[in-house]
Amino acid sequence: EIVLTQSPGTLSLSPGERATLSCRASQSVSYSYLAWYQQKPGLAPRLLIYGASRRATGIPDRFSGSGSGTDFTLTISRLEPEDFAVYYCQQYGSSPPGTFGQGTKVEIK
Amino acid sequence: EVQLVESGGGLVQPGGSLRLSCAASGFIFSNYNMNWVRQAPGKGLEWISYISDTSGTIYYADSVKGRFTISRDNANNSLYLQMNSLRDEDTAIYYCARGPRGYSSSWYVYWGQGTLVTVSS
Repeated sequence: EIVLTQSPGTLSLSPGERATLSCRASQSVSYSYLAWYQQKPGLAPRLLIYGASRRATGIPDRFSGSGSGTDFTLTISRLEPEDFAVYYCQQYGSSPPGTFGQGTKVEIK
Repeated sequence: EVQLVESGGGLVQPGGSLRLSCAASGFIFSNYNMNWVRQAPGKGLEWISYISDTSGTIYYADSVKGRFTISRDNANNSLYLQMNSLRDEDTAIYYCARGPRGYSSSWYVYWGQGTLVTVSS
């Protein structure tokens, strides 16, 4: 089973700053089958990125994903107030599907 | 508009059973593979079960294998999760989730609002 490790656990930033979130896999993720989700309190997760770098429908272009193999990054170019949330990565390149990382909380500094 | 609406959660004693349902609308349910994902209070996301469009392929996470059973009724656009021998650690919000058509392992585009299962004496 592929284990995903996200870092840092918490990121304290101010609106307008750049956020860089890391997701490292214990083994190579096939075809860069990696997704990123945003979750706010009391709500279901929201898909941001799939295929490591493809933005989901309706996601602002300040969100970008990159990486391959075992190292992946989610970047938020300039944080808006609504971006403070918890972010999860997920790999879907191996069976059974859907291993998630433990999450990174982006909080207001 | 795609909608997934879970129901059936509640308080149950350890060792008890519960059946969750997910009502789907806004898409051709029989064309899509479906999943259950859970989230314990204050914790991260955990995928727990997958069922293919025809019910021909089913997967479970090790944490629920042998205790939970996933099923679907394509005629009624519904997904189910039968949960038996429940444990304290099964306490979580349970989400049904759908990916794109044709992928057995995928990202999840659509999520329900979740239903809370609490296992406690």
